[in-house]
Amino acid sequence: DADVTQTPRNRITKTGKRIMLECSQTKGHDRMYWYRQDPGLGLRLIYYSFDVKDINKGEISDGYSVSRQAQAKFSLSLESAIPNQTALYFCATSDFPGLARNTGELFFGEGSRLTVL
Amino acid sequence: GDSVTQMEGPVTLSEEACLTINCTYTATGYPSLFWYVQYPGEGLQLLLKATKADDKGSNKGFEATYRKETTSFHLEKGSVQVSDSAVYFCALSRDNFNKFYFGSGTKLNVKP
Repeated sequence: DADVTQTPRNRITKTGKRIMLECSQTKGHDRMYWYRQDPGLGLRLIYYSFDVKDINKGEISDGYSVSRQAQAKFSLSLESAIPNQTALYFCATSDFPGLARNTGELFFGEGSRLTVL
Repeated sequence: GDSVTQMEGPVTLSEEACLTINCTYTATGYPSLFWYVQYPGEGLQLLLKATKADDKGSNKGFEATYRKETTSFHLEKGSVQVSDSAVYFCALSRDNFNKFYFGSGTKLNVKP
């Protein structure tokens, strides 16, 4: 099983619908992230969480919200989806930087492809 | 602000050709530099990294050297294989891995 699991992997929805993308991890990492990937734009950070009680906006948080239900779970919501939110969404995790074992590496899920019609 | 710029693709090469994908960065302080690879239908995975100037990261035949004087971290491989076909992302991290910035990605196609 993957260390970082995203559901659903693919979703087609209509404008105005509420959508939730879920992420769960078995790596025991405190830090979790949601990124959006668009062709030619690379990855852009939507939200990140450094622990269960910590939520931070990234560079493109408008139109999105998140919930950190537990150390292992971090969900992304689109309250009212619009077509320009059509993209590939990635969840990622990383370890606390103060730990000697931390390599600075981000661990990614396989992505959730969202299409908003 | 911090940013990463990498060459646009796609890059198309024949098997056994040499590869260079250029990456330059803008950052305050002393960032760590990374190359991530995304194979078709998969998430990104770390390919190699370097945490200080003049460090060379290497993995799977790929190499990149952290050049502070030119603010560059170019990815190189002497002989590419069809299995290297993927999208490659240059990234930087600073503040002790508290923030990450990614380039736009370069798609590599290797033909037999």
